[in-house]
Amino acid sequence: DADVTQTPRNRITKTGKRIMLECSQTKGHDRMYWYRQDPGLGLQLIYYSFDVKDINKGEISDGYSVSRQAQAKFSLSLESAIPNQTALYFCATAAGTGNQETQYFGPGTRLLVL
Amino acid sequence: RKEVEQDPGPFNVPEGATVAFNCTYSNSASQSFFWYRQDCRKEPKLLMSVYSSGNEDGRFTAQLNRASQYISLLIRDSKLSDSATYLCVVNGNTGFQKLVFGTGTRLLVSP
Repeated sequence: DADVTQTPRNRITKTGKRIMLECSQTKGHDRMYWYRQDPGLGLQLIYYSFDVKDINKGEISDGYSVSRQAQAKFSLSLESAIPNQTALYFCATAAGTGNQETQYFGPGTRLLVL
Repeated sequence: RKEVEQDPGPFNVPEGATVAFNCTYSNSASQSFFWYRQDCRKEPKLLMSVYSSGNEDGRFTAQLNRASQYISLLIRDSKLSDSATYLCVVNGNTGFQKLVFGTGTRLLVSP
């Protein structure tokens, strides 16, 4: 079984709809991240969480919200989806300390907003 | 200027060739450097960390030049399975591991 899972893997939705992307991990890591990837751009950080009570905005958090329900679960919500949120979304967890932290990515969720 | 810049490629090489990628970064305070590999439509996976003294893992060698702020990845004896996009990744600040990802360099290894 995969250590970091994401559901759904693919999603098509309409403008204005609320959707939730879920991420679960069995690695026991405290740190979790949400990124989006667009063609021709590097991964961009949306939100990150160091533990259940610690949630922080990344560089492109507008239009998104998150929930850290447990150490193992970190959900990303689009309250009112818009077409430019069409992208590939990755969840990641992190291990290690300081500057040698390693991030492990889930398989991604491909989202299309019509 | 982008924080991390890479030549997007693609680099087309035959099997057995040696190929090198470079990456430049703008934040002189960066402390950690990595190469990730990403296959088409898949998640990035850590290929190797890059240490100041340079490091090697089998056919892969990574080098760091802090003075010039660039990182390199050398792949020897290329295999078909090396075809992928290689992401240069730098941590933006000390302490918190905010990773900054390059857009990637695409490698195509042909028979």
